[in-house]
Amino acid sequence: DQQVKQNSPSLSVQEGRISILNCDYTNSMFDYFLWYKKYPAEGPTFLISISSIKDKNEDGRFTVFLNKSAKHLSLHIVPSQPGDSAVYFCAAVDRGSTLGRLYFGRGTQLTVWP
Amino acid sequence: DVKVTQSSRYLVKRTGEKVFLECVQDMDHENMFWYRQDPGLGLRLIYFSYDVKMKEKGDIPEGYSVSREKKERFSLILESASTNQTSMYLCASRETGYEKLFFGSGTQLSVL
Repeated sequence: DQQVKQNSPSLSVQEGRISILNCDYTNSMFDYFLWYKKYPAEGPTFLISISSIKDKNEDGRFTVFLNKSAKHLSLHIVPSQPGDSAVYFCAAVDRGSTLGRLYFGRGTQLTVWP
Repeated sequence: DVKVTQSSRYLVKRTGEKVFLECVQDMDHENMFWYRQDPGLGLRLIYFSYDVKMKEKGDIPEGYSVSREKKERFSLILESASTNQTSMYLCASRETGYEKLFFGSGTQLSVL
């Protein structure tokens, strides 16, 4: 059973507009969340993370919001650029668990068109 | 910068062959992971290792084994390759106590 869900397999956005990628989780023990970006034929690269003690973290054009009560997080990209076109994976971890493994969602393919 | 190197970018094998995928990291990380990525299925954990000679099964270990004889190297072995093991294989490493994974560039394996 999937503990991290990205319910939108794809998202298409015009250049300059905001992209919002969503992620839901079921395990209330998750206390740290990460977003990765993946281009075709390359490995995923870390984008941004957030701890459960915060509800927002910003890094340049990228902002992640966390709503713990709803077990929901979102990644906002403003403004979107064609180079942002990639698959975005949400991941969660229970830092108190023995091995601290990451649980990944299935990813959302973002396409930014000019 | 952390470097995770996977020995091959592309690999074509026949069914029944034994396949070795090699991964080396240069940051003295204790934890290493093998994932496979398939369209629509995301990143699925095959095996991971939290120390030399230690290994743990992930979510889809069937048909795979691993070896970690040295800290920097983590090998994934397909004992008898099958067509349903055609996939992108990703290796990652991480320092104990930290959450962030560093991924290699991946190996696209085709089993014919």
